[in-house]
Amino acid sequence: TQLLEQSPQFLSIQEGENLTVYCNSSSVFSSLQWYRQEPGEGPVLLVTVVTGGEVKKLKRLTFQFGDARKDSSLHITAAQPGDTGLYLCAGGSWGGKLIFGQGTELSVKP
Amino acid sequence: GAGVSQSPRYKVAKRGQDVALRCDPISGHVSLFWYQQALGQGPEFLTYFQNEAQLDKSGLPSDRFFAERPEGSVSTLKIQRTQQEDSAVYLCASSLAGTSDYNEQFFGPGTRLTVL
Repeated sequence: TQLLEQSPQFLSIQEGENLTVYCNSSSVFSSLQWYRQEPGEGPVLLVTVVTGGEVKKLKRLTFQFGDARKDSSLHITAAQPGDTGLYLCAGGSWGGKLIFGQGTELSVKP
Repeated sequence: GAGVSQSPRYKVAKRGQDVALRCDPISGHVSLFWYQQALGQGPEFLTYFQNEAQLDKSGLPSDRFFAERPEGSVSTLKIQRTQQEDSAVYLCASSLAGTSDYNEQFFGPGTRLTVL
């Protein structure tokens, strides 16, 4: 069974701080996706990483896929209140179904 | 240009009742997925359709859960004899192509089911 462990589960920081969210597995995934989910809405894709060691940047967000394609991280620089939400990592699996981590609830206070 | 829509957005059922949850995927999307999301958790896979064919139903928690997509477009997730542990948000997602896991899945807003 493929599992993704995401940490931390909860993160409360002040505006302007940096943070990192981790996603780890004992399984190899062919791709790793990061989603953000707002209350009452479905997850929205932020990025897909597919190559071991790959780094992608999206404004203040930096995503990294581990060399062995078993882990990934999301780093946010100078967090803003608008970054508040649930961040989910998800591994691609057979047939396209996604294996999600438990999520990280981020709260950025002004 | 509409996204994935789901109805109803909220459903309250008494234990033992049957419920039907509807998903309208993005037009032309081949693949359709159902996920269950418990409060404070990540979504968990339930079942997957490619057009009208249900290719994977390994995530359905019991034989009380049934999904169909008869014409390869709209899908319905039916839960018979609902139990309190069925309370969750049910998310539907669609993607343009087939089995590649690189294809972006577009999620609907979900149906929040509460079983009393």
